[in-house]
Amino acid sequence: AQSVAQPEDQVNVAEGNPLTVKCTYSVSGNPYLFWYVQYPNRGLQFLLKYITGDNLVKGSYGFEAEFNKSQTSFHLKKPSALVSDSALYFCAVRAPESSASKIIFGSGTRLSIRP
Amino acid sequence: DARVTQTPRHKVTEMGQEVTMRCQPILGHNTVFWYRQTMMQGLELLAYFRNRAPLDDSGMPKDRFSAEMPDATLATLKIQPSEPRDSAVYFCASDYQGINQPQHFGDGTRLSIL
Repeated sequence: AQSVAQPEDQVNVAEGNPLTVKCTYSVSGNPYLFWYVQYPNRGLQFLLKYITGDNLVKGSYGFEAEFNKSQTSFHLKKPSALVSDSALYFCAVRAPESSASKIIFGSGTRLSIRP
Repeated sequence: DARVTQTPRHKVTEMGQEVTMRCQPILGHNTVFWYRQTMMQGLELLAYFRNRAPLDDSGMPKDRFSAEMPDATLATLKIQPSEPRDSAVYFCASDYQGINQPQHFGDGTRLSIL
């Protein structure tokens, strides 16, 4: 069975510093991996995805994520945090074993950027 | 910019009443998902449809919840009778049958059962 773990409920970073939000996964076969962001009173918004190819993927708002197959991780990163990055972040995985596979979301990590 | 539209955005009602939430997926998307979000349980998948047929509703309490897609432009989630523990934010999402495609979420229906 596929699963996703976000080990940190909250991450606190000073504005201008680099940030990392951690995600590990468990899935049979090659995973399709996603990051979403949720702002207050809004739905989840897609940030970036890894399907195949380059292990470093770039997404919206200056975010990037690094796929590490040996560590089964897909950590979200940004070189310089902004206060406006404060939000709830979800990692998600899909196993491509069938076209009906559903996406599994992590529990979410609340990112707080202090001025 | 295409969006998933959910109505109503907010609903407050008394225990025992029927609640109907509606979702208009993005035009051309053929897979629709219903999620529930609470502080305690996080994001839970309730059910999802492809080409209007239910694929998985194992996350949904069958005795009181029902989900349908009367047509390709409308998905509904009903609760009857509603209970206080159903209070949550309910999200609809859609995509086009692509396991490598991201889901597009609506802004949710915030449901409060008194």
